[in-house]
Amino acid sequence: GESVGLHLPTLSVQEGDNSIINCAYSNSASDYFIWYKQESGKGPQFIIDIRSNMDKRQGQRVTVLLNKTVKHLSLQIAATQPGDSAVYFCAENIGGGSYIPTFGRGTSLIVHP
Amino acid sequence: DAGVIQSPRHEVTEMGQEVTLRCKPISGHNSLFWYRQTMMRGLELLIYFNNNVPIDDSGMPEDRFSAKMPNASFSTLKIQPSEPRDSAVYFCASRTGEGTEAFFGQGTRLTVV
Repeated sequence: GESVGLHLPTLSVQEGDNSIINCAYSNSASDYFIWYKQESGKGPQFIIDIRSNMDKRQGQRVTVLLNKTVKHLSLQIAATQPGDSAVYFCAENIGGGSYIPTFGRGTSLIVHP
Repeated sequence: DAGVIQSPRHEVTEMGQEVTLRCKPISGHNSLFWYRQTMMRGLELLIYFNNNVPIDDSGMPEDRFSAKMPNASFSTLKIQPSEPRDSAVYFCASRTGEGTEAFFGQGTRLTVV
């Protein structure tokens, strides 16, 4: 079956660096994507979303890029801070249906002071 | 708004016992999800309700699991009888409608011994 997967299970960066977290999706019918951040002992927290009619969306210190040609998403975090340390998930939502979020396995981001 | 509220936060029970997990979605949200998270399988959808009606329960592992949503402000996930392999963190999430982000509760950590 089709699934959402992540290229890197763990990403270590230095404080102040920019971080890039990648996500591959395989369902071409997916048209709404969400990035979540999950800190230890907490539930996933919404960061930013993007719809398939866009290829880039910016938030506060975060940017999501969508490449529908190769079915790839990335989350860029500028000036990474220790508080950004968490597991990051991308979730795809298949259009034309119930838009049920389907999650990838997650990438652990570790920010070193 | 207090967000999605789950109870209990932690549950330890003996194999064979009945376990009931509770969720209060965000007021005004009409969709509710139950997910299970384990290291091995990540975040898996168990069941999805829309307007209190179960729409997709294909993720419910077996007959030991059941979920109800008697009204728009309350849902339960019941496991009877519980088994050690049910040990996981169970999350409830809600959203306003299709194509919007889901908001997660803090989760219930279930340990079956």
